[in-house]
Amino acid sequence: AQSVTQLDSQVPVFEEAPVELRCNYSSSVSVYLFWYVQYPNQGLQLLLKYLSGSTLVKGINGFEAEFNKSQTSFHLRKPSVHISDTAEYFCAVTGSGNTGKLIFGQGTTLQVKP
Amino acid sequence: DAGVTQSPTHLIKTRGQQVTLRCSPKSGHDTVSWYQQALGQGPQFIFQYYEEEERQRGNFPDRFSGHQFPNYSSELNVNALLLGDSALYLCASSPGLAGSSYEQYFGPGTRLTVT
Repeated sequence: AQSVTQLDSQVPVFEEAPVELRCNYSSSVSVYLFWYVQYPNQGLQLLLKYLSGSTLVKGINGFEAEFNKSQTSFHLRKPSVHISDTAEYFCAVTGSGNTGKLIFGQGTTLQVKP
Repeated sequence: DAGVTQSPTHLIKTRGQQVTLRCSPKSGHDTVSWYQQALGQGPQFIFQYYEEEERQRGNFPDRFSGHQFPNYSSELNVNALLLGDSALYLCASSPGLAGSSYEQYFGPGTRLTVT
């Protein structure tokens, strides 16, 4: 079985500052990892995904994440945030052979202040 | 190209009633998954439909059931509603069970309130 822990429930940051949202996972099988963003009253939008290959993954809106197998982490980063990045961010995992069943973390609220 | 659509947007029901939520997948997608997102929580997997059959199921009681139609659209039915069923219900679609991208496209959700 897989599980996901998002280490921060809320992350306040000033506009144009860098940010890191932390995600740790546990799994007994190979995993595929995802970060989704949810704006108020909307569904989920995929930011980026790690399936295999390079451990540094680049996504939309200037976000990137690094897969660290030894630390079972998949932290999300952005070098300079904008007010429009204020949203809820979810880390998710699915195991090989278990496609379609995404296991989500509890979410991290990113609050970008002017 | 229309994305995933869900109806209705909002719904208010009374305890003990039954509800049906609807989802149309993104064009070209044939697999539909349903998730329940309680307030302040991450989404939880309910079940997945492919070729009109339930393929995977999460830890939800039998009160939650579904259906997939030949055009790949899907319904989620919840019987004997409880207050705890109040949540945002998300539908996600993907191209096949083992699509190489493993990417799921989510709809905007249906907000269900049980009073």
